[in-house]
Amino acid sequence: DSGVTQTPKHLITATGQRVTLRCSPRSGDLSVYWYQQSLDQGLQFLIQYYNGEERAKGNILERFSAQQFPDLHSELNLSSLELGDSALYFCASSEGLAGTTDTQYFGPGTRLTVL
Amino acid sequence: DAKTTQPPSMDCAEGRAANLPCNHSTISGNEYVYWYRQIHSQGPQYIIHGLKNNETNEMASLIITEDRKSSTLILPHATLRDTAVYYCIVRQKTSGSRLTFGEGTQLTVNP
Repeated sequence: DSGVTQTPKHLITATGQRVTLRCSPRSGDLSVYWYQQSLDQGLQFLIQYYNGEERAKGNILERFSAQQFPDLHSELNLSSLELGDSALYFCASSEGLAGTTDTQYFGPGTRLTVL
Repeated sequence: DAKTTQPPSMDCAEGRAANLPCNHSTISGNEYVYWYRQIHSQGPQYIIHGLKNNETNEMASLIITEDRKSSTLILPHATLRDTAVYYCIVRQKTSGSRLTFGEGTQLTVNP
């Protein structure tokens, strides 16, 4: 158990809909990362937040957005869903402290199925 | 981040050591070598990381060549539960940098 929690575990929805995935980082971790794993793209970095502020963006679609709240949990919002958005979505967290190796620890993921 | 090259698959007998190689010939001085594994669609699990010295923890050992262009992850006594995809990742030393996953090595531990 990494200490990172994600809900829900599974999500089935229809095209055009909007969903929210939730992540709670390990206690004390300030950085949260979101990754997407689809069959054809592998594990890809989407976005990072540090202490409530967006820190880095990867291959995140404009239909997707994220935020980190004052209690440090994070949400990934996916809208206008398409069949190709079906994937595993992982959240990872790290201490986020400068001068450290800042290892990332992953949650169990949310499996999104768009029908 | 530097690109890594790993064999797509490897087999290992249960109880034997599993040696997983990784080439990272373009690694720069401020990049760490990280290893993660993913067991059948579970979240990637951190194994070990190193800069230039060999490292050992309760899960594995990491051997990095002197020129840092390649490394080997060693699972000393592989079990069936070690069957997973193993990812070798080279990552910037600065905190907060992303992980760039490649294809990894599918390790199958056979009874």
